[in-house]
Amino acid sequence: GENVEQHPSTLSVQEGDSAVIKCTYSDSASNYFPWYKQELGKRPQLIIDIRSNVGEKKDQRIAVTLNKTAKHFSLHITETQPEDSAVYFCAASKNNFNKFYFGSGTKLNVKP
Amino acid sequence: GAVVSQHPSWVICKSGTSVKIECRSLDFQATTMFWYRQFPKQSLMLMATSNEGSKATYEQGVEKDKFLINHASLTLSTLTVTSAHPEDSSFYICSGGGDYAQHFGDGTRLSIL
Repeated sequence: GENVEQHPSTLSVQEGDSAVIKCTYSDSASNYFPWYKQELGKRPQLIIDIRSNVGEKKDQRIAVTLNKTAKHFSLHITETQPEDSAVYFCAASKNNFNKFYFGSGTKLNVKP
Repeated sequence: GAVVSQHPSWVICKSGTSVKIECRSLDFQATTMFWYRQFPKQSLMLMATSNEGSKATYEQGVEKDKFLINHASLTLSTLTVTSAHPEDSSFYICSGGGDYAQHFGDGTRLSIL
């Protein structure tokens, strides 16, 4: 089955700095890679996703890059703000309606 | 966007009680529902996948007789924790699958005394 590894487990940055979270996956058949943000006690919320037919996707301060050859993908947050503080999870999936394999999560702390 | 409504949000009950958690997709048809369990400071652990009108598929190590899943319609799936014990205390969360993305419910915090 798929194995998704996520690093770092914790990340502390100063407000305004950039944050990068990296994930690797093992199954080359995986073709959908979402990123979720989860605040304490709340549901994970989709913040950005990428499919295997593109290498990069950007949405304002958030971007995701995908390297299919190396089987890794990364989340980039620029100009971080205190409200970006949360736990971020990456995931990998194959096709529609298929189960997600989640990374172990990264706790991001943005210091004001 | 797609919304999944999950109830109850918090349950406290005595050991031996059975607890039912409901998830409804409000503005889309969730052909597939996923049920997760999350321990504090840990990732989401997939328990089972349910498809409307068919039996759920359980992940390895998950007791299907303890965690009963029913997906009777395209908008409703339920998880029943039977004869719950303190070790079943956790955060349970469902998600509805549609067109690649999964849309999560708000989760249910289950505390068994």
